[in-house]
Amino acid sequence: DAGVTQSPTHLIKTRGQHVTLRCSPISGHKSVSWYQQVLGQGPQFIFQYYEKEERGRGNFPDRFSARQFPNYSSELNVNALLLGDSALYLCASSLTGITDTQYFGPGTRLTVL
Amino acid sequence: QQQVKQSPQSLIVQKGGISIINCAYENTAFDYFPWYQQFPGKGPALLIAIRPDVSEKKEGRFTISFNKSAKQFSLHIMDSQPGDSATYFCAATAGFQKLVFGTGTRLLVSP
Repeated sequence: DAGVTQSPTHLIKTRGQHVTLRCSPISGHKSVSWYQQVLGQGPQFIFQYYEKEERGRGNFPDRFSARQFPNYSSELNVNALLLGDSALYLCASSLTGITDTQYFGPGTRLTVL
Repeated sequence: QQQVKQSPQSLIVQKGGISIINCAYENTAFDYFPWYQQFPGKGPALLIAIRPDVSEKKEGRFTISFNKSAKQFSLHIMDSQPGDSATYFCAATAGFQKLVFGTGTRLLVSP
């Protein structure tokens, strides 16, 4: 079975632009979570979605938004990009989202210039 | 209270030695404690996980020791191999899956 897939792999944007990152969960998984990993740090929770509903939100500004589609894939949108948004954005999927194993994708490396 | 503190920041171990990474937490609501392994350019991969109702869990060369009263848990890698060289993250979660990660330990196993 395919694991969690994310696209694009790498992305370069300039300050003020908008970006959309995409994630496809493992087949059968209904929960998707997004994390931001700044170089040299642990991942920070951004959002969790389950059955197309937002279940949790981390301490990120409103410039960050996400959604989950009927096929359980997900998009993360970031508006008005700042230099500090440069990071590896990770998507993780799990069956139910309630204390079961989260499987991470390879991430999207975003560079903001 | 949401933090998970991880140490050491980096670790060098000789091949065949034991690697030990420690984590501590404050939130007593945490009920699931996974360890992830991350190679450069890759996403974190689940290594082993434990729940607070057991004090130890072993899978192959990897063992988690859990001390509920001290709110500490640790990862032991026995017979460390050069292929184990990676960054290791402890994490914790309560209920729904907002994983709280430690700051990571960069492990280098020398041949």
